[in-house]
Amino acid sequence: AQSVTQLDSQVPVFEEAPVELRCNYSSSVSVYLFWYVQYPNQGLQLLLKYLSGSTLVKSINGFEAEFNKSQTSFHLRKPSVHISDTAEYFCAVSDRGDDKIIFGKGTRLHILP
Amino acid sequence: DTGVSQDPRHKITKRGQNVTFRCDPISEHNRLYWYRQTLGQGPEFLTYFQNEAQLEKSRLLSDRFSAERPKGSFSTLEIQRTEQGDSAMYLCASSLPVSTDTQYFGPGTRLTVL
Repeated sequence: AQSVTQLDSQVPVFEEAPVELRCNYSSSVSVYLFWYVQYPNQGLQLLLKYLSGSTLVKSINGFEAEFNKSQTSFHLRKPSVHISDTAEYFCAVSDRGDDKIIFGKGTRLHILP
Repeated sequence: DTGVSQDPRHKITKRGQNVTFRCDPISEHNRLYWYRQTLGQGPEFLTYFQNEAQLEKSRLLSDRFSAERPKGSFSTLEIQRTEQGDSAMYLCASSLPVSTDTQYFGPGTRLTVL
């Protein structure tokens, strides 16, 4: 069965520093990959997704993630974080042809002033 | 349309009581999903509907759980004889009937079983 591993439960980073949130999934079959974000006291919302085509996908607020099939990874990066990026980030995967999404445990991003 | 809504936002109940939650999806979305999220975990899939048909149920969904979507619009999730282990955030999401379409999540219903 498909599973998602987010090794870091919390990541502290100084404001304006770069950040990488790691995500690995278990199966190498054809997949769709997602990053969802949950800001404090808000619901889950999609940050970006990989369906096909270019392995580098970007969000409107400066995050990007790269699909690496050989390493079964989909790490999330941002070159310079802001205090407004404080949130919990969930990596998720869906097997092609399957409609449910499997989520990781989440990584809490703490932005230090 | 303002998005997926869920009611109530919070529910406190005593062990053994029955509870029912409601989810109203985005109006043009055929698919509706239920997830459960416990502290320190990501959301776990429970079940989903396409219109009124329940297409898949997780093994997590014990016999005490039942979900319905009678007219293909809103959905209810009922938990009978609640247990303390049922305490969690229950999330609803909706999407168009395409597997690549984004699932839009509601704010959730937080259940506390005393």
